[in-house]
Amino acid sequence: GENVEQHPSTLSVQEGDSAVIKCTYSDSASNYFPWYKQELGKRPQLIIDIRSNVGEKKDQRIAVTLNKTAKHFSLHITETQPEDSAVYFCAASIEGGGADGLTFGKGTHLIIQP
Amino acid sequence: EPEVTQTPSHQVTQMGQEVILRCVPISNHLYFYWYRQILGQKVEFLVSFYNNEISEKSEIFDDQFSVERPDGSNFTLKIRSTKLEDSAMYFCASSAWDGGTEAFFGQGTRLTVV
Repeated sequence: GENVEQHPSTLSVQEGDSAVIKCTYSDSASNYFPWYKQELGKRPQLIIDIRSNVGEKKDQRIAVTLNKTAKHFSLHITETQPEDSAVYFCAASIEGGGADGLTFGKGTHLIIQP
Repeated sequence: EPEVTQTPSHQVTQMGQEVILRCVPISNHLYFYWYRQILGQKVEFLVSFYNNEISEKSEIFDDQFSVERPDGSNFTLKIRSTKLEDSAMYFCASSAWDGGTEAFFGQGTRLTVV
């Protein structure tokens, strides 16, 4: 089955700086890679996703890159703000694979220092 | 905005008892999922459900667990003979179609087994 590794487990950055979180996956059949943000005690919420037919996607301060050959994808947050503090999870699944669940990474606790 | 709703928000049960966690997926969604998150750990896939039957299940989803869609709106997770290690947050999710479309998560049910 799919295995998703995520690094780092904790990331502390100064407000206004950029943050990068990296994930690798093992199953070359995976073709859908969402990123979820989870605030303490709340549900995971999708912030951005990317499919294997594109290499990069951007939405305001958030961008995701995908390298299919190396089987890794990254989340980039620019101009970080205090409200970006949360746990971020990457995930992988197979689109059209028949209701395969998402395989999540272990999460990155992002701390924005004022 | 439509959302997945779960009840109860918190359930305390004695070891060995049976619990039923309830979910109302988004109304036009076809795929339903249960995930588990032990405190401080990653979100783990339990089971997916489509067309009134289990589509995929993980190693965690053993004979202790069952799912059901008893009517047109509810989706339930039953845990028989609960164990201490079943204590976790259980998230229901739904998506419009399989694998690669956005999975919307409910707010979760915190299960505490004592």
